[in-house]
Amino acid sequence: SQKIEQNSEALNIQEGKTATLTCNYTNYSPAYLQWYRQDPGRGPVFLLLIRENEKEKRKERLKVTFDTTLKQSLFHITASQPADSATYLCALLYSSASKIIFGSGTRLSIRP
Amino acid sequence: GAVVSQHPSWVICKSGTSVKIECRSLDFQATTMFWYRQFPKQSLMLMATSNEGSKATYEQGVEKDKFLINHASLTLSTLTVTSAHPEDSSFYICSAQGDQGETQYFGPGTRLLVL
Repeated sequence: SQKIEQNSEALNIQEGKTATLTCNYTNYSPAYLQWYRQDPGRGPVFLLLIRENEKEKRKERLKVTFDTTLKQSLFHITASQPADSATYLCALLYSSASKIIFGSGTRLSIRP
Repeated sequence: GAVVSQHPSWVICKSGTSVKIECRSLDFQATTMFWYRQFPKQSLMLMATSNEGSKATYEQGVEKDKFLINHASLTLSTLTVTSAHPEDSSFYICSAQGDQGETQYFGPGTRLLVL
């Protein structure tokens, strides 16, 4: 069965630095890879989607890369701020209108 | 755009009672809705997928007679936890997907506590 690993359960970063989160998966590559943010007691909020034929996607201070050879996605937050502190979830989607498989998440803390 | 609401946001009930949770897509038509459960410090676990007007598809290990799902319209799905027990206490989250099918938009979640 397909597995996703977000290899840092928690990450502490100094404000202003770039936070880099990693998502690795096994077996075959998904059609889409997504990143979500989840705050405590809230539902996930969609951040970025990257397709299997795309290598990089950016949105403001966020950048996502997708390497199907390494079977890995990296999620970067540049100029990090304490407000970026949250749990970030990687999710794989294998075809349109199919179910999402979520990673266990990385809890990011940005200290002032 | 793409706002999903859930009601109630939290509920406390006695063991043996049934609880209904509503999920609504407010500004788009959701051809597919998903129900997830999340235990503390764990990731989301998909319970079932529902398409408007048809029976829900349940994930392995999820009892369909205990977790009743109705998707009667393109903007509303309900999850009823029947005969709730303390082990059903969890955070229940729905998501909705439009006809483009790439992204799921999540509701704010419902915290259920069964005493």
